[in-house]
Amino acid sequence: ILNVEQSPQSLHVQEGDSTNFTCSFPSSNFYALHWYRWETAKSPEALFVMTLNGDEKKKGRISATLNTKEGYSYLYIKGSQPEDSATYLCAPYYGGSQGNLIFGKGTKLSVKP
Amino acid sequence: GAVVSQHPSRVICKSGTSVKIECRSLDFQATTMFWYRQFPKQSLMLMATSNEGSKATYEQGVEKDKFLINHASLTLSTLTVTSAHPEDSSFYICSARRGPTVPLYNEQFFGPGTRLTVL
Repeated sequence: ILNVEQSPQSLHVQEGDSTNFTCSFPSSNFYALHWYRWETAKSPEALFVMTLNGDEKKKGRISATLNTKEGYSYLYIKGSQPEDSATYLCAPYYGGSQGNLIFGKGTKLSVKP
Repeated sequence: GAVVSQHPSRVICKSGTSVKIECRSLDFQATTMFWYRQFPKQSLMLMATSNEGSKATYEQGVEKDKFLINHASLTLSTLTVTSAHPEDSSFYICSARRGPTVPLYNEQFFGPGTRLTVL
C-alpha cells in the first residue's frame, strides 16, 4: 500500500500571510503528481500536474515545486486571501500496475480576513 | 469544460434500503469513471473503476454485490449501495476521465460528492 503524507493537516493564517505545505510520497516508479484544490461543497479542482524533477509550476499566487528523487512536493500560496480557504490534496500517479491516483489526506487551509 | 455533476449531494436512508448515486460528465465523453469513498479525516480511497459498456473493476476489499456500478453511456455512471447499513455511511465521490485514450497523466475531473447517512 502506497503511503502519501501531507502536512500540516490544517493551517490557519491571516489574510496576506504567505504559506506552504508539503506532500511526501514514495519516489519509486513515480510518474506524475497531481495537486487539487477542494472547497467545501464543491468539486475538487485540478491545480497542477507535475512530472519532472525540479519542476516548478505557477498559477496566480499559487506555485508548486517537485522533487521526484526524494519524493516530495511543496505548494506555496503568496499573500493568502480568504478565497484560498480550501483543502489542498496531492495525489501521485505511478502509471503501470499502480494506475490510479493515490491521495493524501489533504491540508485544510483557513484564511482569516 | 470538463464539468462533472453528481446527484444527489446528500441522502439519508433507513438501514436495509438501497441508494443510487449518479455521476455525469456534462461536457465531455468519459469512457472511464472512478468511484471513491472518504471516511472522516481520511483520504479519498478508490472503490472501483467503471468502464463504459463493461463490468466495473473493484479494489480489494470492496464488495461488488454491495456496491453495484453501471456505466451504460459515455456520460453516466451510477453507484448503487444495496441494503445499506450504518457502516456504509460515508462521503462518496466520482471522477471522470476523458476517453477513450488514457490521458498521459491520468487526469481526472471530479464531481462534488454525495454524503450518505444510513440510519
